Amino acid sequence: DSGVTQTPKHLITATGQRVTLRCSPRSGDLSVYWYQQSLDQGLQFLIQYYNGEERAKGNILERFSAQQFPDLHSELNLSSLELGDSALYFCASSARLAGAPINEQFFGPGTRLTVL
Amino acid sequence: AQSVTQPDIHITVSEGASLELRCNYSYGATPYLFWYVQSPGQGLQLLLKYFSGDTLVQGIKGFEAEFKRSQSSFNLRKPSVHWSDAAEYFCAVGFIIQGAQKLVFGQGTRLTINP
Repeated sequence: DSGVTQTPKHLITATGQRVTLRCSPRSGDLSVYWYQQSLDQGLQFLIQYYNGEERAKGNILERFSAQQFPDLHSELNLSSLELGDSALYFCASSARLAGAPINEQFFGPGTRLTVL
Repeated sequence: AQSVTQPDIHITVSEGASLELRCNYSYGATPYLFWYVQSPGQGLQLLLKYFSGDTLVQGIKGFEAEFKRSQSSFNLRKPSVHWSDAAEYFCAVGFIIQGAQKLVFGQGTRLTINP
């Protein structure tokens, strides 16, 4: 158990709909990252938040958005869903470690989204 | 651009046999390298990481990896695999850009263990 929780575990919805995925980072971690894992694209970085502010963007579609709340949990909002959005969505968190050039990311179990 | 290549999509080995999973990266500066494992229905778990220093790094579950700068490689090894090692393995390169940390993952190698 990494300490990162994600809800729901599974989500089935229809094209055109909007869903919200939730992530709670490890206690004390200020950074949250979202990834999408699909068969054709592999594991792709979507977006990072640090202490409530957007820090980095990856291959995130305009239909997708995220935010991090004052209690540090994060939500990924996916709208106007298409069949191709079906994937496993992971959240990861990390802590800033003094002296470390880069921080280890701890991954949650993921949310499997199926768009029908 | 930063990229990671795992040439083997699927590898099958017998239980007790040795294992080597290949990883090649493309990155202009000093790479920060990681191996993660993903068991079915699970998230990714870090096996080991390389930042600097000794090029042979030890990880959890008996895994090790060797960084070879001349070959831009970071291959994962285990001397004797167990059935529980069946999983998908991901190599990743980490870097800092504009103050933000990013990870780029390879496509993964699925490991099957024959009894």
